[in-house]
Amino acid sequence: ETGVTQSPTHLIKTRGQQVTLRCSSQSGHNTVSWYQQALGQGPQFIFQYYREEENGRGNFPPRFSGLQFPNYSSELNVNALELDDSALYLCASSPDLAGFQETQYFGPGTRLLVL
Amino acid sequence: RKEVEQDPGPFNVPEGATVAFNCTYSNSASQSFFWYRQDCRKEPKLLMSVYSSGNEDGRFTAQLNRASQYISLLIRDSKLSDSATYLCVVNNAGGTSYGKLTFGQGTILTVHP
Repeated sequence: ETGVTQSPTHLIKTRGQQVTLRCSSQSGHNTVSWYQQALGQGPQFIFQYYREEENGRGNFPPRFSGLQFPNYSSELNVNALELDDSALYLCASSPDLAGFQETQYFGPGTRLLVL
Repeated sequence: RKEVEQDPGPFNVPEGATVAFNCTYSNSASQSFFWYRQDCRKEPKLLMSVYSSGNEDGRFTAQLNRASQYISLLIRDSKLSDSATYLCVVNNAGGTSYGKLTFGQGTILTVHP
């Protein structure tokens, strides 16, 4: 196993609600990235945090926001949920930013359904 | 054009067959390349990195052609346990976006008895 955990495993929300997803990285991993995987698609990069600062962002609107904490945990918050937000949300951690070959370790994901 | 494009699949092959997946990427500045495997309703897991010289891990061989911006994965002697979705992944580490993995759509492989 990767040592990366996510909670909850499944979640059902209604349109317009807000949701917080949580991730716990491996100890010592300073970088966490979040991805959204819609059914039948590959994961899409949402954003990345390094030492509690946002380090990069994909093509997602501002209602997708995140936090990273000193204890290697992080959150993904989504406001004003839309039906298209239904997806598997994956977090991935890596030790540091250095090196293009850096392996990212994925958690099991949170499956979000918006009704 | 998508940043990473894969064979649409799905591939349905008998045990023991050899199967090849292809992938192209659009960003010529991409620095590193990977194949990930994803089982149904599970997270992606790193299968292997891909190097310009080509690399092999048991029954799996990966190749990278930077000039053509093309990546391949060859699986020999397919096993039932190889059934999964195979994701072509590029690390677009240009600028400051280190570690931003860009995934292809994935190709579904089913190996049958």
